[in-house]
Amino acid sequence: ELKVEQNPLFLSMQEGKNYTIYCNYSTTSDRLYWYRQDPGKSLESLFVLLSNGAVKQEGRLMASLDTKARLSTLHITAAVHDLSATYFCAVKNTGTASKLTFGTGTRLQVTL
Amino acid sequence: GAGVSQTPSNKVTEKGKYVELRCDPISGHTALYWYRQSLGQGPEFLIYFQGTGAADDSGLPNDRFFAVRPEGSVSTLKIQRTERGDSAVYLCASSSTGGATEAFFGQGTRLTVV
Repeated sequence: ELKVEQNPLFLSMQEGKNYTIYCNYSTTSDRLYWYRQDPGKSLESLFVLLSNGAVKQEGRLMASLDTKARLSTLHITAAVHDLSATYFCAVKNTGTASKLTFGTGTRLQVTL
Repeated sequence: GAGVSQTPSNKVTEKGKYVELRCDPISGHTALYWYRQSLGQGPEFLIYFQGTGAADDSGLPNDRFFAVRPEGSVSTLKIQRTERGDSAVYLCASSSTGGATEAFFGQGTRLTVV
């Protein structure tokens, strides 16, 4: 059974600082997603990572995937308050068409 | 519509009652997914439709849960004999096809069973 773990579960950081969120998963997969969720809102797709060594960047967020280590990272550069949200990684279950297993989320709070 | 629409946004029901939750996907999207999100947790997969058929219903917790998508567009998640443990946010997502295609999520229906 695929398990997805994120850490930390909660992160409080000051504006301007850098930090990394980690996503580990237990079985082979060919696809990993990062989502953002604001309180009471939809999940917003941030990145889709399809292959080993994939790196994608959007603004202050950069995601990478190491399929051999079964690890993805979401790196935050020079955090700003607007990045405060909960971030989820989700891994596609191999052998299924589209079933995703989500991590428990990392709640990010960026303070002034 | 512009995005995935779910109704109602909130539903409070008594234990033992029947509820229906509706999802209106993005027009033209053939793939539709239902997930359930409990407080402080990540979403859990329930069921995936490709067109009208349920391609994967392995996440439905028991036979009280059922979902349909009769015309390949709108989907309804049906829960019979609701229990307090069913309280959660039920999320619907759609994508243009299955597989790697990006899925767009609705805002969810918050179900509270009292």
